[in-house]
Parts: sequence; C-alpha cells; structure tokens
Amino acid sequence: EDQVTQSPEALRLQEGESSSLNCSYTVSGLRGLFWYRQDPGKGPEFLFTLYSAGEEKEKERLKATLTKKESFLHITAPKPEDSATYLCAAYGGATNKLIFGTGTLLAVQP
Amino acid sequence: DAGITQSPRHKVTETGTPVTLRCHQTENHRYMYWYRQDPGHGLRLIHYSYGVKDTDKGEVSDGYSVSRSKTEDFLLTLESATSSQTSVYFCAIRGTSGSDEQFFGPGTRLTVL
Repeated sequence: EDQVTQSPEALRLQEGESSSLNCSYTVSGLRGLFWYRQDPGKGPEFLFTLYSAGEEKEKERLKATLTKKESFLHITAPKPEDSATYLCAAYGGATNKLIFGTGTLLAVQP
Repeated sequence: DAGITQSPRHKVTETGTPVTLRCHQTENHRYMYWYRQDPGHGLRLIHYSYGVKDTDKGEVSDGYSVSRSKTEDFLLTLESATSSQTSVYFCAIRGTSGSDEQFFGPGTRLTVL
C-alpha cells in the first residue's frame, strides 16, 4: 500500500537550534516528493519538489533532501516565524495522486 | 497566492441538509482538486477535475459529488450532510503545464451538527 509517514509528530526547538524533519515513503513509481508549510487556519503553502534521489533544494533556512526511501527537511538556525506544520506528500503510486503524511508541528521558541 | 478563492470560508449546517462549497480560480488551470483535512489524517483527495465536465473520484468520494461547468469554478456538493463530514475542505489547482505541484486555497471549515 502506498504510504507516507512523517516524524516526529511534533518538535519544539529553541531559536537557533537546528534540526531535521523526516518523511519516509513507500510509493511505487515515485514521480515527485513535495514539501508544504501550513500555518494555522490557512491552506498549505508549497515549498519544494524533489524528483530524484540525491536531489537537494534550499530556501532561506530550509533545505530538503531525497533518498530512495525518505526525505528530510533540514532547518538551520530556526526563528520563531518558522513555527508551522510541515507536510510531506509523495506523487505517484498505484493511483498516481498526491499522498500526504500527517505532518510535523514545529514550534520554535525565542 | 495561486489565485484561488473558496466560499464560504466557514459554514455550520445540520445533518441531512445539502451543502455546496465553491472553488474559484483566475488563472485558467486545467486540473482542480478537492481535499479534506482531519486530525490524525493527511490531506485526503475527494474528487478532482481534469477539464470542464471531466471529473473523477478520489480516495474518499462517498457522500460527495462535484461539478465543473466552466474552467474557473469547481463545486463540491454534500447531498445530505453527516457529522462525519465535519472537516476543513481545501481546493487545489495543479501548476503550469508539465509541473506536478499543487497549490491550495485558503480552505472552508464545515461543521455538521
């Protein structure tokens, strides 16, 4: 069964304390791995697409990486404004649709 | 901002009543999607459209129907709302030709009493 699992469910960091979020996937025929940011009461905001193992993409303090089984979202020296829920989604599989994980709730304390 | 609006943004209704949610886009995208988001579940696809009058079912389509009579509008209808359909509903569009990214609207919070 196609599946996307994110860990941890919640993460609390101090400002400046770098860390990583994990997204593991079992999706046949992966066509893309997507990261989104979601603020409370809002729709998901697109961050990155990764297409092949070894690929990396960066945006400000965020860097996404991809292997054949998982993706990581690395957050370097986070700030309170990075607090949000981060969603991972895999595109492909039996239905050729986006399959979402349940997200990681990140809280960055000043 | 992908030029997507959803209406209403909030709605409270009673069990058994029909409800229609509207998604409107301004950029002539071919693909449009309806998802629901519930605690403990990832976003789940309800229905999607790949053109005017062309729609198909997603993962959780039971109890929902959709219509797309023009490119810019994609309607989601709950024929007879149930409490299990209390959720936040998001519309999404697929990006430019050749792109797989989806961009989401602001959501509609629906409560069925």
